[in-house]
Amino acid sequence: AQTVTQSQPEMSVQEAETVTLSCTYDTSESDYYLFWYKQPPSRQMILVIRQEAYKQQNATENRFSVNFQKAAKSFSLKISDSQLGDAAMYFCAYVVPGANSKLTFGKGITLSVRP
Amino acid sequence: EAQVTQNPRYLITVTGKKLTVTCSQNMNHEYMSWYRQDPGLGLRQIYYSMNVEVTDKGDVPEGYKVSRKEKRNFPLILESPSPNQTSLYFCASSLLGATGEKLFFGSGTQLSVL
Repeated sequence: AQTVTQSQPEMSVQEAETVTLSCTYDTSESDYYLFWYKQPPSRQMILVIRQEAYKQQNATENRFSVNFQKAAKSFSLKISDSQLGDAAMYFCAYVVPGANSKLTFGKGITLSVRP
Repeated sequence: EAQVTQNPRYLITVTGKKLTVTCSQNMNHEYMSWYRQDPGLGLRQIYYSMNVEVTDKGDVPEGYKVSRKEKRNFPLILESPSPNQTSLYFCASSLLGATGEKLFFGSGTQLSVL
């Protein structure tokens, strides 16, 4: 079964500092996509970043970047220059293209940002 | 504006009283899906639909029904709700399935079954 593991339930970071959220996954597939979603208190699910497994280059979106280690099945999210608005729950997710196209989510991590 | 609209945002009901949560998208997406979110469990897929009149079970389909009579609508039906269905529900859609492209989420429905 495909699983996504986020082992840290909570993390805290000082404003303007950098924080890394970890995620590991288990799959036997070679073609898949990985995502980080942000869920602020408004409950809206917001796509933060996406990584294609066949691309070795790590995805970057402004202050957000990933460290994708395919062999280790690791997909961590780095948030640089943390801002108060980054406080949210973050979910790592994974999908294999196919008939179901189901996103498999981790349990999430709650990030707090200290002013 | 491209969006997925869910209603209601909050719903309190009693055990056994049938309810429907509506979901509509205005992007002409073929793929639609329902997830439930529970603390410590992340989001889990309930049902999905690849196109009109095509629906299939996800990981936790028990106690739920769906229909896809029109491309834009994908309602979630709880025929006889029970307290273990108290959860936060999300509808989502994408153009051709969650093949790696962005999944658009509705703003969620918080359901409480007493």
